[in-house]
Amino acid sequence: EAGVVQSPRYKIIEKKQPVAFWCNPISGHNTLYWYLQNLGQGPELLIRYENEEAVDDSQLPKDRFSAERLKGVDSTLKIQPAELGDSAVYLCASSLQTSGNIYNEQFFGPGTRLTVL
Amino acid sequence: GQQVMQIPQYQHVQEGEDFTTYCNSSTTLSNIQWYKQRPGGHPVFLIQLVKSGEVKKQKRLTFQFGEAKKNSSLHITATQTTDVGTYFCAGRSSGSARQLTFGSGTQLTVLP
Repeated sequence: EAGVVQSPRYKIIEKKQPVAFWCNPISGHNTLYWYLQNLGQGPELLIRYENEEAVDDSQLPKDRFSAERLKGVDSTLKIQPAELGDSAVYLCASSLQTSGNIYNEQFFGPGTRLTVL
Repeated sequence: GQQVMQIPQYQHVQEGEDFTTYCNSSTTLSNIQWYKQRPGGHPVFLIQLVKSGEVKKQKRLTFQFGEAKKNSSLHITATQTTDVGTYFCAGRSSGSARQLTFGSGTQLTVLP
């Protein structure tokens, strides 16, 4: 079974340019997460989807970041315009949340390493 | 908001020595998960603890959840070079059970 797929793996852009990341979760996983990970730090949640609904986007900088998961499967995270401080690894994760058990492990993708020059 | 702190930030051990990382939360947790991230890799789930005082073992790894459900530890016995990586704890607060907050991790280096 394929794991969480992310693309691109690496992206280098100049500041003020737009950038988009794509994530395809594990088949059947209804919950999808986007995290930001800076060097030497743990992942920080940006947004969490349950199916197509964004249920937690409190940490998403909405002035420049946007995300969508239109059909409740794959998802796109966009930054427009990018700033120097956005350089980081953007991780996507998915899990299967059920009504009876909300404590499920998250499966992470390989991440997209963004460098903003 | 909820804060999860880990110590130490870095640990160098000689192969065969033991290793322990500690995780402390500012709030009571409903459960805690541990992940391992190899250099250049992504976090991989290791285990989840739910009950107060719970202890779980995976071969040379022993995980503990504190009685007050505010702290946890991971202990590795007789480290091997394959144990190299960063170990993260991630806690769910009792008030918001679906939100997972990651600690800053402990980076383990094992010297052969």
